[in-house]
Amino acid sequence: QQQVKQSPQSLIVQKGGISIINCAYENTAFDYFPWYQQFPGKGPALLIAIRPDVSEKKEGRFTISFNKSAKQFSLHIMDSQPGDSATYFCAAIPASGGSYIPTFGRGTSLIVHP
Amino acid sequence: KAGVTQTPRYLIKTRGQQVTLSCSPISGHRSVSWYQQTPGQGLQFLFEYFSETQRNKGNFPGRFSGRQFSNSRSEMNVSTLELGDSALYLCASSIIIRAETQYFGPGTRLLVL
Repeated sequence: QQQVKQSPQSLIVQKGGISIINCAYENTAFDYFPWYQQFPGKGPALLIAIRPDVSEKKEGRFTISFNKSAKQFSLHIMDSQPGDSATYFCAAIPASGGSYIPTFGRGTSLIVHP
Repeated sequence: KAGVTQTPRYLIKTRGQQVTLSCSPISGHRSVSWYQQTPGQGLQFLFEYFSETQRNKGNFPGRFSGRQFSNSRSEMNVSTLELGDSALYLCASSIIIRAETQYFGPGTRLLVL
């Protein structure tokens, strides 16, 4: 059962444009929401993360927006570059004390055209 | 500091066989988690080991098992392989158990024929 739904499955943007990837979760026991970036032949690497008590977090060109009431969060990549072309995964990590099953979205393949 | 290493990187097996994959965590990391990555299901958590004990487990059948050694290195075993077990198996390490931040290895690509 997919507990984190990620969209779109694929995304093509032009260099300099904004890439937006969305995720929605169901389980309110999650309390940490990281985004991972994965290049072909490599494992996922942590990009940026947020907690539900914060509505937005920005690190360089990457921003997470978080809507706790809607149980949704999104990744915005500003000024997208060809080097950003990769697969992006959102994830939801359970709070301490309960069942621990980190849950990932199915990924978004981003292509940034030069 | 060296990253997470996984061996082998590629593996081809036939149905019914068993396979063992190996993971060496980042030095000083005591927790090792395993994930299965497929195009259809994405990344799915298999289990987490800490101090040589399985501490957390995902929703996979008993054919998937693992162990951790005193030096924190971990192995994952899949018995009676099925075609659907074809996937990229990722290992991730962290300093503590149930860590929010994990560091992934490059994975082992398993193809079951």
